Amino acid sequence: QVQLQESGPGLVKPSQTLSLTCTVSGGSISSGSYYWSWIRQPAGKGLEWIGRIYTSGSTNYNPSLKSRVTISVDTSKNQFSLKLSSVTAADTAVYYCARGGAVAYYFDYWGQGTLVTVSS
Amino acid sequence: DIQMTQSPSSVSASVGDRVTITCRASQGISSWLAWYQQKPGKAPKLLIYAASSLQSGVPSRFSGSGSGTDFTLTISSLQPEDFATYYCQQANSFPPAFGPGTKVDIK
Repeated sequence: QVQLQESGPGLVKPSQTLSLTCTVSGGSISSGSYYWSWIRQPAGKGLEWIGRIYTSGSTNYNPSLKSRVTISVDTSKNQFSLKLSSVTAADTAVYYCARGGAVAYYFDYWGQGTLVTVSS
Repeated sequence: DIQMTQSPSSVSASVGDRVTITCRASQGISSWLAWYQQKPGKAPKLLIYAASSLQSGVPSRFSGSGSGTDFTLTISSLQPEDFATYYCQQANSFPPAFGPGTKVDIK
């Protein structure tokens, strides 16, 4: 059973960079044709897809965030990471990592989510 | 970008009721649609993919239908554990997008 777990600071100052890591257990991040995504959800609001990475390092980012997002992967640690720069209060949200398919964006495994608050 | 809408935004229902939620895409997406269930404080859970395929382990009282721009999620007999928020998501066009959600609560 694949499990994902987000980790990282819960509080980030405005203008700084948000950094989160997702650790995958129960299987190799490199096995199968899966993409690994980040998705966020502001409190009381809907879900926004941030971007994804394949274990080759190939990435796709939501155009709405592309200028500020970097997703990377460390296959030796079975982890992938998110960096979001120049954050504002609007970036305050629960951040989820999730596994998606190569053909379609179906997200079948999710982490529990981690709340990141942007505040001074 | 493809925009997703859902109706109703909330529905009050009783245990045993049949509940239907509608999702509409701003452009045709064939059958590239997923439905998720989210309970408070939890991650979304994939219920249905490809518009009508039940994810492994999901009870058969959940069903999905539709293609093109109009889709439906039906819960045939609402159970206590089904009170949650449901999201649709278009799964083919970049970037993937979720609907605003439909909250199913207790009447």
